[in-house]
Amino acid sequence: DAGVTQSPTHLIKTRGQHVTLRCSPISGHKSVSWYQQVLGQGPQFIFQYYEKEERGRGNFPDRFSARQFPNYSSELNVNALLLGDSALYLCASSSTVQQTAQHFGDGTRLSIL
Amino acid sequence: GESVGLHLPTLSVQEGDNSIINCAYSNSASDYFIWYKQESGKGPQFIIDIRSNMDKRQGQRVTVLLNKTVKHLSLQIAATQPGDSAVYFCAENFWGSSGGYNKLIFGAGTRLAVHP
Repeated sequence: DAGVTQSPTHLIKTRGQHVTLRCSPISGHKSVSWYQQVLGQGPQFIFQYYEKEERGRGNFPDRFSARQFPNYSSELNVNALLLGDSALYLCASSSTVQQTAQHFGDGTRLSIL
Repeated sequence: GESVGLHLPTLSVQEGDNSIINCAYSNSASDYFIWYKQESGKGPQFIIDIRSNMDKRQGQRVTVLLNKTVKHLSLQIAATQPGDSAVYFCAENFWGSSGGYNKLIFGAGTRLAVHP
């Protein structure tokens, strides 16, 4: 069975631009969470979505937004990119919100020039 | 603030030895903990989890110990192999908004280097 898939794998943008990252959860998983991992640190929670609704949000500015589609895939959008947004963006899926075992994809490496 | 920290940033072991990676957590109300392995260029890979009503759980070559009294977790890897070389994270599950969502709180990680 396919795990969590993310696209693209790498992306280079310049300051002020906008970016959209995509995630397909494990088949049958209805919850998707997004994390940001800066080099040398552990992942930081950005959002959790379940049944197309935002269920939780971490300490990130409003430039970060996301949505979940009827097939449970998800997009993370970041506007007005800053140099500090350079990071690995990880998507994790789980069966439900109550099912706490989250399984991660390999991420999108975003570099801001 | 909320945090999950690790005592040792780098651990070097000889192939075949046992490895122990330690982790401290801050939220005494946390009821679920997970260990992840992250290899270069990849996402965190689930290794083993443990709930707060347990103090030990074993998997294949791995054992997680939970000491709630001192808010401490450890991951033991038996007969460490070169393929075990990676960064290991412990993560604490946090329930927000009266259980409406959950998030994982990660520490900075411990790099395990296995030498032949």
